Order: sequence, then C-alpha cells, then structure tokens
Amino acid sequence: KQEVTQIPAALSVPEGENLVLNCSFTDSAIYNLQWFRQDPGKGLTSLLLIQSSQREQTSGRLNASLDKSSGRSTLYIAASQPGDSATYLCAVRPLNAGNMLTFGGGTRLMVKP
Amino acid sequence: DAGVIQSPRHEVTEMGQEVTLRCKPISGHDYLFWYRQTMMRGLELLIYFNNNVPIDDSGMPEDRFSAKMPNASFSTLKIQPSEPRDSAVYFCASSLGSSGGPHGYTFGSGTRLTVV
Repeated sequence: KQEVTQIPAALSVPEGENLVLNCSFTDSAIYNLQWFRQDPGKGLTSLLLIQSSQREQTSGRLNASLDKSSGRSTLYIAASQPGDSATYLCAVRPLNAGNMLTFGGGTRLMVKP
Repeated sequence: DAGVIQSPRHEVTEMGQEVTLRCKPISGHDYLFWYRQTMMRGLELLIYFNNNVPIDDSGMPEDRFSAKMPNASFSTLKIQPSEPRDSAVYFCASSLGSSGGPHGYTFGSGTRLTVV
C-alpha cells in the first residue's frame, strides 16, 4: 500500500527566505505526483503536476522535483511571501491502485512579514 | 470553465437526518472522486467514478454512505442517517483520463458538514 509522508508538518519562516518542502512515498511505481495548496477553510488548488517521466516542473517562484527511484519529491519556494502561507499537500497517483490519489499529511507553512 | 462546483458550501444538520452533497465536475472530465478531510485522518478517498460508473467504493465508511452519478455532469453523496462522526469537509474532484491528464486532478471548494 502506498504511503506518502510530508516533512516537516509545520514550518515558520521570515519573509524573503527560500524554503524546501519534502514529500516521500513508499512505492516508486507511480503515474505522477501533484502538489496542492490549501488555504484555511478552502479547497485544494493544484500547483504543479510532475509526470513519472519528468524530473521537475516550474511555475513562477515554485519548483517541484521528482526522484522516483528514491521515492522523493521536493517543492522549492523562492523568495517566500506572507501570501504563501497555507498548507501544502503532495499526492501521488500509483500505477497499480486503480485511479486512487494518495495524499500526504501536508506541511503547514507560515511566512512572517 | 467554472471548475468543479460543489453545493452546499456549509451544512449543519441534526444527528439522524439525511444529508445530500452535490457536485458538478468539469465538463469533459471522465473521472469523478469524492474525498473526505478530517484533522485526524487527512484526505481520504471515499469513492470514484469513471464515465458515470462507480469503480471503487472501498473507501466508503459504511452502508450509511451512498454515491450516485446519474449523468456526466452531476454526482451526489448521501449520508443517511447522519452521525456526529461524519462531520468533516467533503471534497469532489474530477480529472481527464486515468492519469489525470495534463492538469491532474481539479478539486471543488468542498462542503463543510457539521452533524450535531
């Protein structure tokens, strides 16, 4: 059974700092990995999708990498801003589990002005 | 496209009452998912449909929960009778194709259910 872990569970940084969020998964047989953002009381917003054949994806100040063989992904946020404060979730789509998306527990990020 | 639309946004009901949550997926998406989010268990997949057909309902907690997708543009999740432990945020998501397509999964804003 695929398990997804995110470390740290919570992170507080000053504005302007570059930061890395980590995601690890136990089964490397995946279709893709997706990073989401969730604001308090809101739904999930897709940030980046990395297919299994890709190594990274970039969108603005966000860069996500994927190392499928080691079961790891990182989300890099450059020059963090208070507006980046949210919970960040990673999710993997396993190859052999139907169409189920398995989520990590999330990292709650606070960027202080 | 307006995205995945869920209604209601908030629902407060008394224990024992029937609750119906609604979802309109993105037009053209052939997969629809129902998730539940709680502080204790995070996001859990309840059931998903492909071309309106339920494929995997192994995540449905018990017989009190049922889901239907009568057509490609509408799905419901029903809880009857509701219990306080059902209180959670329920999300609907849709995707194009089995791998999620070029944009992966798109989530609705969720329905926050409180059973008192």
